[in-house]
Amino acid sequence: QVQLKESGPGLVQPSQTLSLTCTVSGFSLTSYSIHWVRQHSGKSLEWMGRMWSDGDTSYHSAFTSRLRISRDTSKSQVFLQLNSLQTEDTGTYYCASSLHTLGITDWGQGVMVTVSS
Amino acid sequence: DIQMTQSPSFLSASVGDRVTINCKASQNINKYLNWYQQKLGEAPKLLIYYTNNLQTGISSRFSGGGSGTDYTLTISSLQPEDFATYFCLQHNSFPTFGSGTKLEIK
Repeated sequence: QVQLKESGPGLVQPSQTLSLTCTVSGFSLTSYSIHWVRQHSGKSLEWMGRMWSDGDTSYHSAFTSRLRISRDTSKSQVFLQLNSLQTEDTGTYYCASSLHTLGITDWGQGVMVTVSS
Repeated sequence: DIQMTQSPSFLSASVGDRVTINCKASQNINKYLNWYQQKLGEAPKLLIYYTNNLQTGISSRFSGGGSGTDYTLTISSLQPEDFATYFCLQHNSFPTFGSGTKLEIK
């Protein structure tokens, strides 16, 4: 059974770095891609980036300069680091999985992040 | 980036109604189009993948269609649990989502 769970701080100060962890179970990170998607309150979903099954990464052009996605396959964890936070980065952050050409199939429960001093 | 234009933004309907939601891509996405349902406070849930394939466990009253740049999600007979927000996602290239359709009870 595929499961994903995000963890991280709920409150981050402006200009600081957001660090989130996605812990997965029921599958291997070397077979599935993991995506990070965020959602501003009541609004649409925004794809941020992806850790491919082979360890490569892809980032949305809007985040290229301040986003880093990494992983530890031994711990079944994928990490997001987003630098230079602004209040506009407030929202719910999801990790999600995809396999081959199926697109995103499974989602974590999401973690709400507030950027405020 | 491929832009996804989803319509309508809001839809008011009654139990038993048949409704259709549309997504239009800014270029051909070769049927790499998924549909998700999201309820308040929950993560999105996959309904349809690759245009017209029903995800395991999803009711057959949900169906998808389309090709090229134009895609649809149809709910054949609305049930009370279907009132939610629906999103499309193209994954032909870097993924992009539609802006969402909020389906409300009339």
